[in-house]
Amino acid sequence: EADIYQTPRYLVIGTGKKITLECSQTMGHDKMYWYQQDPGMELHLIHYSYGVNSTEKGDLSSESTVSRIRTEHFPLTLESARPSHTSQYLCASSLTLPGNEKLFFGSGTQLSVL
Amino acid sequence: EDQVTQSPEALRLQEGESSSLNCSYTVSGLRGLFWYRQDPGKGPEFLFTLYSAGEEKEKERLKATLTKKESFLHITAPKPEDSATYLCAVQEFKMAGGGADGLTFGKGTHLIIQP
Repeated sequence: EADIYQTPRYLVIGTGKKITLECSQTMGHDKMYWYQQDPGMELHLIHYSYGVNSTEKGDLSSESTVSRIRTEHFPLTLESARPSHTSQYLCASSLTLPGNEKLFFGSGTQLSVL
Repeated sequence: EDQVTQSPEALRLQEGESSSLNCSYTVSGLRGLFWYRQDPGKGPEFLFTLYSAGEEKEKERLKATLTKKESFLHITAPKPEDSATYLCAVQEFKMAGGGADGLTFGKGTHLIIQP
């Protein structure tokens, strides 16, 4: 059973607001990821981290930023939300073990920017 | 560039009617192929990982197979609770500094099982 938690589950916010999406995992996984998913579309990697103080941008350009100060915590921040940021954001984690790279996902945050 | 194509986009079956979902992929070096199930409003739930051509894995009514170019998810005698979107994803071998080793996903197959 995967123990990865995202809050909030749903967020409706006005344009220009600063928001932080929270993601925590209790499995001690070193790798963590943020994916963005629009309805009927594939998941796109926007950020990833291989450990504390390590963050990189993913394949899909994003105006968000991330931090990894603790192993278990990987928050995503939007400094100024816009309607184009409306999407589902999924956090995931995995262990760096050969043959065991499966990702565990949280339930996601559905963000709506008005 | 990696590509993952799933077909069909949507599939409606009667309860008990077996079928297969397809995932074709193009990567320079396959590290693993993953199948996930996603229910509406939730994150993907892991089903299988396949690593080499000829490998097969089973779980309840699901069986995943892998060739050098595609993977199939076979659903035998499905039930309404098998209704979900099934996602295929690949992970590519990358050199150090070659970027993220996260998964590249297909758009999924939306499966509906009618009672």
